[in-house]
Amino acid sequence: DAGVTQSPTHLIKTRGQHVTLRCSPISGHKSVSWYQQVLGQGPQFIFQYYEKEERGRGNFPDRFSARQFPNYSSELNVNALLLGDSALYLCASSLANQGVLQYFGAGTRLSVL
Amino acid sequence: GQSLEQPSEVTAVEGAIVQINCTYQTSGFYGLSWYQQHDGGAPTFLSYNALDGLEETGRFSSFLSRSDSYGYLLLQELQMKDSASYFCAVRDSSYKLIFGSGTRLLVRP
Repeated sequence: DAGVTQSPTHLIKTRGQHVTLRCSPISGHKSVSWYQQVLGQGPQFIFQYYEKEERGRGNFPDRFSARQFPNYSSELNVNALLLGDSALYLCASSLANQGVLQYFGAGTRLSVL
Repeated sequence: GQSLEQPSEVTAVEGAIVQINCTYQTSGFYGLSWYQQHDGGAPTFLSYNALDGLEETGRFSSFLSRSDSYGYLLLQELQMKDSASYFCAVRDSSYKLIFGSGTRLLVRP
């Protein structure tokens, strides 16, 4: 079975642009969470979606938004990119809404120039 | 505020035992998890403690003391492949998973 897949793997954007990152959870998993990981730090929670509804939001500006589709895949959108948005963006899926065991994808490395 | 404290770096010899500590301060507590992340890789789940005590999974064990807001990950019979970053994470009252800054473990021959 495929694990959590994310696309693209790498992305280079310039300040002010918009970016969309995609995530496909493990088959059967209904919960998807997004994290931002800056080099040398732990993942920081951005959003959690379960059954297509937002169930949690971290301390990120409104430039960050996400959604979950009927097939449980998810998109993370970031508008008006800043240099500080350069990071590894990780998606994790779990079976349940408060799933303890989260399975992470390999991430999308975003560089903002 | 919410915070998890863990050492930034630990070095140990192959075959030895190493303990990585984690203290936490969060709004609500619904369990302590540990994740391993190799350079360039995805975090992978290692263990979870919801209640006080020791959980053992092969060479890895994890301990929790809720009264002390403290836990640790114990790695035995260290192997070179254990060189990685280790993160503790706490699920808070809003069920967000809050990660520590990570402990970089270097295993030397």
